Amino acid sequence: DTAVSQTPKYLVTQMGNDKSIKCEQNLGHDTMYWYKQDSKKFLKIMFSYNNKELIINETVPNRFSPKSPDKAHLNLHINSLELGDSAVYFCASSPGQGYNQPQHFGDGTRLSIL
Amino acid sequence: LAKTTQPISMDSYEGQEVNITCSHNNIATNDYITWYQQFPSQGPRFIIQGYKTKVTNEVASLFIPADRKSSTLSLPRVSLSDTAVYYCLVGDMEEDTGRRALTFGSGTRLQVQP
Repeated sequence: DTAVSQTPKYLVTQMGNDKSIKCEQNLGHDTMYWYKQDSKKFLKIMFSYNNKELIINETVPNRFSPKSPDKAHLNLHINSLELGDSAVYFCASSPGQGYNQPQHFGDGTRLSIL
Repeated sequence: LAKTTQPISMDSYEGQEVNITCSHNNIATNDYITWYQQFPSQGPRFIIQGYKTKVTNEVASLFIPADRKSSTLSLPRVSLSDTAVYYCLVGDMEEDTGRRALTFGSGTRLQVQP
């Protein structure tokens, strides 16, 4: 059973396009996250939702818009894709909010902008 | 932006004990220290978490000195399958804003040789 699943696993598209990445967790967790991992392997948090409410919104271009239809899902929509958006995007979840909650990660979505 | 610091890489041989240290000078009073393991093309996986002194589970030990400004992940008798990147995570205080943010360390790439 996959605990945190992301789709698609790979996404190749052209500059200027709009794309979405979906994330679902079946752990019953209240909190979900989106991270970006660049080519140097730095993991940076982008957003966090707790029970469908936004609780962390780091300095991310407003072309990135998360949406949480319910606490088991957190999708990421990206408008007007740019070359610098190329990275691996990870979704994660934790039982509750707070920095001390162990997180469960999906296997990532590798986004490549041509 | 205050951040955690880890060695970029380490090499070891099968059967040896490996110790990876992370510096986190601005750790907050209520923060725990969490370590994750990441294999290629996978998301980070929770290994161990602690607040002070020593914590041990079935895969690792975590040593935290009294001042909590660093922590050491200890992997006993490593095998080839322990080859991965190891990250430490603490709630980190941003120096310019005073805001706390989730900050992963730069990661330590452990290579285990036969």
